[in-house]
Amino acid sequence: DAKTTQPNSMESNEEEPVHLPCNHSTISGTDYIHWYRQLPSQGPEYVIHGLTSNVNNRMASLAIAEDRKSSTLILHRATLRDAAVYYCILRDMRGGDDKIIFGKGTRLHILP
Amino acid sequence: DGGITQSPKYLFRKEGQNVTLSCEQNLNHDAMYWYRQDPGQGLRLIYYSQIVNDFQKGDIAEGYSVSREKKESFPLTVTSAQKNPTAFYLCASSMSRGYGYTFGSGTRLTVV
Repeated sequence: DAKTTQPNSMESNEEEPVHLPCNHSTISGTDYIHWYRQLPSQGPEYVIHGLTSNVNNRMASLAIAEDRKSSTLILHRATLRDAAVYYCILRDMRGGDDKIIFGKGTRLHILP
Repeated sequence: DGGITQSPKYLFRKEGQNVTLSCEQNLNHDAMYWYRQDPGQGLRLIYYSQIVNDFQKGDIAEGYSVSREKKESFPLTVTSAQKNPTAFYLCASSMSRGYGYTFGSGTRLTVV
């Protein structure tokens, strides 16, 4: 499975935008890029996913590099409730094994 | 509301006993997954099932067993062969590869 690389932790001030990077240099043409976040003692929550084009939803935006080897999750206006661990994963849209690996993710700290 | 339910939230067992964790979903999702999470770590895949009556081992299947007799249910048994069973266990489901995962709220298992 293609792997992703994320910084261990990041900090941001409340009410400011946050850009969370993810590198996936070995991504294949059929891999979707997914982002999840996990609050303490809870299951991960789906945030957003995309294939090639940038994506927006009510939670965040996903910016995908033209060569697809990296992506950035954008939280437009961080709140204290956005403090969580953010995971970037790749999921192959073809058939076969669906063994998705969640790494350690990025722990986002929001400063009031 | 549709969702995925894990029960119980907390579970205590004596060493050497088998224990079964419940996971039920009413989302009509075909695929279901079990992950294990240790403190400060990412999620590791134990087992997954893409259709009823079929399942595959993940990366850490030793000491665990599953069944998928119904689309809605994917119970996980932690056997006495699992050397270090104390962990946070997460169940997830997915409609298909083009969609995201939905996670349950987790079961925290403590073996004493």
